Amino acid sequence: QVTLKESGPVLVKPTETLTLTCTVSGFSLNSIRMGVSWIRQPPGKALEWLAHIFWNDEKSFGPSLKSRVTISKDTSRSQVVLNMANMDPVDTATYYCARIKYYYDSSGYFEVPQIDSWGQGTLVTVSS
Amino acid sequence: QSALTQPPSVSGFPGQSVTISCTGTSSDVGFYNGVSWYQQPPGTAPKLIIFAVSNRPSGVPDRFSGSRSGNTASLTISGLQAEDEAHYYCSSYITSSTLWVFGGGTKLTVL
Repeated sequence: QVTLKESGPVLVKPTETLTLTCTVSGFSLNSIRMGVSWIRQPPGKALEWLAHIFWNDEKSFGPSLKSRVTISKDTSRSQVVLNMANMDPVDTATYYCARIKYYYDSSGYFEVPQIDSWGQGTLVTVSS
Repeated sequence: QSALTQPPSVSGFPGQSVTISCTGTSSDVGFYNGVSWYQQPPGTAPKLIIFAVSNRPSGVPDRFSGSRSGNTASLTISGLQAEDEAHYYCSSYITSSTLWVFGGGTKLTVL
């Protein structure tokens, strides 16, 4: 059974750096064609993709937050860490980590990466 | 990358069918088979219900179906049930930029 669990502070002050940890089980961060994404959701608003890291350490970041976000993985601990610098009250949101897995499309020939299993999320409030 | 465009809300009576659209561009929805749909009941995490445009994960009822025409993907829910009331989000993987984009979400109300 695949599970992901987010952990980190529930409250951060403006200008501080947020560090969130995603601990996974049921799959390995070394598994070929697997990865982990971070996605956030401000209260009452839509989902926003933040970053991902793949099995081969390939990383990518959302364009609006690229300069503030880093992502890394510790395969031995089955953990993926997201750091977001210079936090602001507008960054208040539920932060989710989720697994990426490659799936074949309907043709059966092409594989596409899809975000499939999600953690329960962790609400982070930014306030002084 | 701009968010994908979804209607803010849709509604239907039990037993009816509803369709939720998701409009993107030729660089995302229209280019690659990386469109997925998620169901999010209030206070819960999103759940994958459609992947690669039109495929259902095991355990998802066949009342849920996905399709695409040009730059617009669609999620159809047939035989509406009260438990289907939730927010629904589409997403597309953009292979040229190796990143994801989400839609603004659609609230489904079962009348």
